[in-house]
Amino acid sequence: AQSVAQPEDQVNVAEGNPLTVKCTYSVSGNPYLFWYVQYPNRGLQFLLKYITGDNLVKGSYGFEAEFNKSQTSFHLKKPSALVSDSALYFCAVSSVTGGFKTIFGAGTRLFVKA
Amino acid sequence: ETGVTQSPTHLIKTRGQQVTLRCSSQSGHNTVSWYQQALGQGPQFIFQYYREEENGRGNFPPRFSGLQFPNYSSELNVNALELDDSALYLCASSPTGANTGELFFGEGSRLTVL
Repeated sequence: AQSVAQPEDQVNVAEGNPLTVKCTYSVSGNPYLFWYVQYPNRGLQFLLKYITGDNLVKGSYGFEAEFNKSQTSFHLKKPSALVSDSALYFCAVSSVTGGFKTIFGAGTRLFVKA
Repeated sequence: ETGVTQSPTHLIKTRGQQVTLRCSSQSGHNTVSWYQQALGQGPQFIFQYYREEENGRGNFPPRFSGLQFPNYSSELNVNALELDDSALYLCASSPTGANTGELFFGEGSRLTVL
C-alpha cells in the first residue's frame, strides 16, 4: 500500500525567510510525487510534480521540491516566503503498483507572518 | 477551456437520506476521481472512473457509488447518509487513466448531514 506522511500540522515562517514543508512517502516501485495547495473553502490547486529526471523540480509561484529517494522524502521549499503563501499544503503520491490512485497526506498549514 | 465544475456547492441532508453530487470534467479529460475531505484532514480517495468504468476504489463502503457518462461527466451517490459523511466532496479530472500527471480539482460540494 502507498502512503504519505506530513509530520508537521503547521509551519510558521516570517515573510522573506525561506520555508520548508516536509513530506515522506511509502510506495512499492517508482513514485510519482505531487504538491497541491488549498485556500479556504476551495478545491486543490496543483503546484508541482516529480515523475523522473532531476531531483529538484520547480513549480508555480516560486515553489520547488527536492526528491530524495534514499530518505523517501519530497520536501516543498521556497527561498523567500510571502504572506500570500499562507494556505494548506498537501503532498500526494501515485504509482503503477498503486493503480495510479493519487493518495494525499493530511496536510500542513503554512502561516507566513508579515 | 472550461475547468472542473461541481454541483451543488452546499447542501444539507438528514441521516438516512440519499444524496447525488455532480461533476463536469475539464474539456478533453476522460478520467474522474472523487475524494472526501473531512474537516481538518486530507482528501481521501473514494473511487476513479475511466471511460465510464470504475478504475480503482478506496476504502469506502458500497453505499458510496458512482457513474461516469459518455461525455465524461460524473455523479457520486451516497445512500443511507451517516453523520460522519459530512465533508467536502471533491471531484478531480485528468486527461488519462494513468495518474502520472496532475489532477484538476473542482471547488467541491460541501455536504452537511444532520
